[in-house]
Amino acid sequence: GAVVSQHPSWVICKSGTSVKIECRSLDFQATTMFWYRQFPKQSLMLMATSNEGSKATYEQGVEKDKFLINHASLTLSTLTVTSAHPEDSSFYICSASFGEYEQYFGPGTRLTVT
Amino acid sequence: AQSVTQLGSHVSVSEGALVLLRCNYSSSVPPYLFWYVQYPNQGLQLLLKYTSAATLVKGINGFEAEFKKSETSFHLTKPSAHMSDAAEYFCAVSEGRSGGYNKLIFGAGTRLAVHP
Repeated sequence: GAVVSQHPSWVICKSGTSVKIECRSLDFQATTMFWYRQFPKQSLMLMATSNEGSKATYEQGVEKDKFLINHASLTLSTLTVTSAHPEDSSFYICSASFGEYEQYFGPGTRLTVT
Repeated sequence: AQSVTQLGSHVSVSEGALVLLRCNYSSSVPPYLFWYVQYPNQGLQLLLKYTSAATLVKGINGFEAEFKKSETSFHLTKPSAHMSDAAEYFCAVSEGRSGGYNKLIFGAGTRLAVHP
């Protein structure tokens, strides 16, 4: 149980274009979803937290106009990287939570911007 | 503010040897503590968690960790390393607020290498 999927697992896009990453909780309803960014050989950095039907809460230093988060339902959250640039290339990981403290992580999406 | 310190960014052990990965935390309230494992190009898998019950926590794949409040530590151990244990390990802390909303603060990670 508590499976989280992400799509796509890997995406390449050209500089200046936008790319959308989906995060789904497959067998539970997620009251909260989290988006993380991970650079090579580094830890996870929380980008934003979203609750279904509410605006996302972004961490300090994360551009909310560049990283658009939509938590449309209790099983789906999307992260859209707008006007992507090579420095946005990274591994993006989502997680979902339905309880008090535990988060269940997706497999990650590797974004490469050329 | 919460924080997590993982001592040793790289740990190397021989197959069959004891694995010890260190984690110290700071938290203003009794914390919830987690250890996750990450294999290359994959997401995080929960190894074990401490949520104010037993201080010695047993997880998957033979791992366990002991919560020591006096030392603010939550070190991860495994008696006998296996080649398949080679991965990145992250310690994380949460204040565990109710309502389905809480943040995980991650340590920098420890890369475990296992040699034959």
